[in-house]
Amino acid sequence: GNSVTQMEGPVTLSEEAFLTINCTYTATGYPSLFWYVQYPGEGLQLLLKATKADDKGSNKGFEATYRKETTSFHLEKGSVQVSDSAVYFCALIVSGGYNKLIFGAGTRLAVHP
Amino acid sequence: DVKVTQSSRYLVKRTGEKVFLECVQDMDHENMFWYRQDPGLGLRLIYFSYDVKMKEKGDIPEGYSVSREKKERFSLILESASTNQTSMYLCASSLTARSNQPQHFGDGTRLSIL
Repeated sequence: GNSVTQMEGPVTLSEEAFLTINCTYTATGYPSLFWYVQYPGEGLQLLLKATKADDKGSNKGFEATYRKETTSFHLEKGSVQVSDSAVYFCALIVSGGYNKLIFGAGTRLAVHP
Repeated sequence: DVKVTQSSRYLVKRTGEKVFLECVQDMDHENMFWYRQDPGLGLRLIYFSYDVKMKEKGDIPEGYSVSREKKERFSLILESASTNQTSMYLCASSLTARSNQPQHFGDGTRLSIL
């Protein structure tokens, strides 16, 4: 079946540290991949996406590259800020599936000054 | 910008009550979705709809029903609320069923069943 596995949190970093949140997937066919972010008390916001192998999604200093050979879509940021503290969800959509998202369990990031 | 609006941010109901959660989107999206979010379990799909009056079961439909009488509105119904339905409920919409279309989420309704 289709599934997404994320590294367990919480991830605790100091401001300006380098961030990596690992995400791997299992999917039939060729999925589109997404990262969503949820700030405290809010719904999910789309952070970035990639729709085919070797695509790099980027937004707000975050990047993730669609790696078909390793079935991975790791999220990275070179220098995190306190305002990046949130829960990050990796997700995929498989074509032909009514656009249904399959989510990972989420990774909580806490950034301290 | 797409706006997905959920009618309540917080809701407290009693066991056995019939509960309605409302969601409205303003961008003429075809698809709408209801999820619940629980600690350690992530987001799980309850129901979705790809057109007016059309609905499909998600992964955890038991105890829920939905209604989509107009394109912009998608309602989640708890027929007889139980304490294990205490959760955060998130509504989402997407333009079409194509796989590269992202879903846009509302701010969520935190529902407590006493």
